[in-house]
Amino acid sequence: KQEVTQIPAALSVPEGENLVLNCSFTDSAIYNLQWFRQDPGKGLTSLLLIQSSQREQTSGRLNASLDKSSGRSTLYIAASQPGDSATYLCAVRSGDGDMRFGAGTRLTVKP
Amino acid sequence: GAVVSQHPSRVICKSGTSVKIECRSLDFQATTMFWYRQFPKQSLMLMATSNEGSKATYEQGVEKDKFLINHASLTLSTLTVTSAHPEDSSFYICSATRTYGGLHTDTQYFGPGTRLTVL
Repeated sequence: KQEVTQIPAALSVPEGENLVLNCSFTDSAIYNLQWFRQDPGKGLTSLLLIQSSQREQTSGRLNASLDKSSGRSTLYIAASQPGDSATYLCAVRSGDGDMRFGAGTRLTVKP
Repeated sequence: GAVVSQHPSRVICKSGTSVKIECRSLDFQATTMFWYRQFPKQSLMLMATSNEGSKATYEQGVEKDKFLINHASLTLSTLTVTSAHPEDSSFYICSATRTYGGLHTDTQYFGPGTRLTVL
């Protein structure tokens, strides 16, 4: 059974800092991995999707990497802004369609 | 605690038929449930937000008359794909946020998903 862990659970940084969010998973036989952001009271917004054959994806100030062998993914946010404040979740999908979510990292970017 | 179930886990149907997918919070009350879908090799995308006792809020590009959502109780939301077509074949997943003593929390608990195949 796949287990997904996100560290840290919460993170507070001053505006402008670069930061890294971590996601680890126990079963390396994954189909893809996704990073989402969640704003209070809202559904998830997809940020980046990494297929199992890929090592990284980039979108604007966001970069996500995937290392299947070590069971890890990182989400790098460059030049953080107060608008980046949200909860960030990673989700790992296996080949049979099962999807497991991490508990999320609550990010606060202070002006 | 905080378990969300979906039924069925897999469904195959003929084009033109309607399919109902249930999402249940088994051990908590869910004021809000979300419905997502994921096409092969694409990201999971939010379809709609469902609040108990009120009409669902649909994301742009999602046809409300095709994807009927009913959230009749605090533990059950249903998604009905009406007149299904092969392009509706996808992975549908729901999530629920729980309410403690009238207070809403933001943590989403996800169901295991339903794989729909329309022939």
